[in-house]
Amino acid sequence: KAGVTQTPRYLIKTRGQQVTLSCSPISGHRSVSWYQQTPGQGLQFLFEYFSETQRNKGNFPGRFSGRQFSNSRSEMNVSTLELGDSALYLCASSLWGTGLSDGYTFGSGTRLTVV
Amino acid sequence: KQEVTQIPAALSVPEGENLVLNCSFTDSAIYNLQWFRQDPGKGLTSLLLIQSSQREQTSGRLNASLDKSSGRSTLYIAASQPGDSATYLCAAQDSNYQLIWGAGTKLIIKP
Repeated sequence: KAGVTQTPRYLIKTRGQQVTLSCSPISGHRSVSWYQQTPGQGLQFLFEYFSETQRNKGNFPGRFSGRQFSNSRSEMNVSTLELGDSALYLCASSLWGTGLSDGYTFGSGTRLTVV
Repeated sequence: KQEVTQIPAALSVPEGENLVLNCSFTDSAIYNLQWFRQDPGKGLTSLLLIQSSQREQTSGRLNASLDKSSGRSTLYIAASQPGDSATYLCAAQDSNYQLIWGAGTKLIIKP
């Protein structure tokens, strides 16, 4: 089966711009979670969507937002980019989002560099 | 608040050795614990998932154990190979279904 697809793989943006990242989960999976990974903070949870609804949210400012479409594909948007937003953004796909039976499958990530 | 710690932060061993990576968590109220590997600049590859009711899981040369009472999980790698070189991360799923991550152990297997 196809894995989790994240696009684009790499992005370079300027401070103040906005960016949209995309994640297509495994077919049939309904939960998509987003994580930010930086050398200093490690992996941090951004938010999780299940059946087009945000079900969980981490401690990130409102500049970080997301949505999920009816086909379970998800997008993440960051507005007014700051240098500190430079990171690897990972999305994870799960059947139900509870991880109780199937765990999580991650995409390869989008490397965002803010200059 | 759940905290996950991985020790050691880095480990270098000769090829062929058996090794153990450690993961500890502060709150035993977890749904599961999952081990991942990450190659430089890449995403995460799921290795093993242990449900809270289970004690261990095995996949090939990998064996993961879970002891909720002591707040510990270990990942045992048998007969290590250079291809095992990567960063290994553990994540505990808490009562809010969020994954709480350790900082990882960077493993280098020397040929």
